[in-house]
Amino acid sequence: AQSVTQLDSQVPVFEEAPVELRCNYSSSVSVYLFWYVQYPNQGLQLLLKYLSGSTLVESINGFEAEFNKSQTSFHLRKPSVHISDTAEYFCAVRLNQAGTALIFGKGTTLSVSS
Amino acid sequence: EPEVTQTPSHQVTQMGQEVILRCVPISNHLYFYWYRQILGQKVEFLVSFYNNEISEKSEIFDDQFSVERPDGSNFTLKIRSTKLEDSAMYFCASTRDFGELFFGEGSRLTVL
Repeated sequence: AQSVTQLDSQVPVFEEAPVELRCNYSSSVSVYLFWYVQYPNQGLQLLLKYLSGSTLVESINGFEAEFNKSQTSFHLRKPSVHISDTAEYFCAVRLNQAGTALIFGKGTTLSVSS
Repeated sequence: EPEVTQTPSHQVTQMGQEVILRCVPISNHLYFYWYRQILGQKVEFLVSFYNNEISEKSEIFDDQFSVERPDGSNFTLKIRSTKLEDSAMYFCASTRDFGELFFGEGSRLTVL
C-alpha cells in the first residue's frame, strides 16, 4: 500500500522568505502525486499535481514541486512567501489507476509572519 | 466552474442518533469518495464508490457506515448510530478518472 510522510508538522517563516515543505512517499508501483492546501475553516483545494511528463510542476500562485523518483520525494517550494500563504498543506498520493483512493500525509502548517 | 456541494455544512446530533450527510458530485464524474478529518488531524480515506457499488474502503468504514447514490445526482454517507469519536469534518470528493480529486467544503459533524 502507498503512504506519505510529511517530515515537518509546522514551518514558521517570515514574509518574503523562501520555504520548502518536505514530502516523501512510499509505493511499489507508479503513483500520481498532489499537493492540496487548506485555509482555516475551508475545504481542500488542489495546489499542484504530478501525473506524468516534466518532473517540475508549478502552481499559479508561485509554488512549485519536483517529482524525484530516486528519492521518492515531492517537496513543495516557494521562493518568496506571503502572509496569505498561511495554511495547512497536505501532500497526497494515489495509484495511477482510475478511481483509486487519494492517501494524504499528516499535513504541514505553514505560518507566515511579518 | 463546476464544484462538489455538501449539505449540511454543520450538524449537531446526540450520541446514538443516525446521521445522513449529503453530497452532489460534479456531474460528469464517475468516482465518488468520502473522507474524514478529525479536528487538527490528517485527512483520512473512508470509502470510494463507482458504478453503484463500493470499490474500496478503509478500516474506519465499519458496519456503522454506509453509502448510497439514491438518484443520479446525490451521494450520501450514513452513520447509523453516532459515537462521540465520529465528531469530525466529513469531505466528499469526486473525480472523472485519473487526475485529482475535487473536494467539497465539508460537513462538520458534532456528536454530543
